[in-house]
Amino acid sequence: AAGVIQSPRHLIKEKRETATLKCYPIPRHDTVYWYQQGPGQDPQFLISFYEKMQSDKGSIPDRFSAQQFSDYHSELNMSSLELGDSALYFCASSSMGLASFGPGTRLTVL
Amino acid sequence: QKEVEQDPGPLSVPEGAIVSLNCTYSNSAFQYFMWYRQYSRKGPELLMYTYSSGNKEDGRFTAQVDKSSKYISLFIRDSQPSDSATYLCAMSARSNDYKLSFGAGTTVTVRA
Repeated sequence: AAGVIQSPRHLIKEKRETATLKCYPIPRHDTVYWYQQGPGQDPQFLISFYEKMQSDKGSIPDRFSAQQFSDYHSELNMSSLELGDSALYFCASSSMGLASFGPGTRLTVL
Repeated sequence: QKEVEQDPGPLSVPEGAIVSLNCTYSNSAFQYFMWYRQYSRKGPELLMYTYSSGNKEDGRFTAQVDKSSKYISLFIRDSQPSDSATYLCAMSARSNDYKLSFGAGTTVTVRA
């Protein structure tokens, strides 16, 4: 069965640089979520999209933005990166409350 | 106080033991209850999914939901070393567009 695809899997950036993370949801899933997970922490909700429209916003810094495109893939854009942005970033897609996660993108900010 | 509370453990059990995990929550609107398993540096993998109250069994795994007590449980029978992982409970409600609220995760180690 198709799963959520994320790219890249690993990303290394320097402070103040910009990063773009991509997510390809499971076909026919209508909702996409982005989560940030720091070491030893549970996933923290950043933002979600329902049918390509932003549906909810969590603890997402103003330096971050996201969008969902006509083909349903989503991108998380992160600017002015800080050391504290180093984390695992997960995308999940869902239909009717049942969410599946992608493998995550590990972002390291040096 | 978080919407979902989960004892982070860690929990260490011998192989073959029953693992008991639980979460409590405060939002009575939650309708969908999930357990995810997360291996180190991997994405959370959906293990069990329950709608509203009741029990659900899948192989060695049993999920229970008690909405009156706002309490959910996951039991793993005949635990194996391969069950060693972090287990996250999550729940959602249609009223907030199914946004997932997670527990902190419980780290489980099954000793061979």
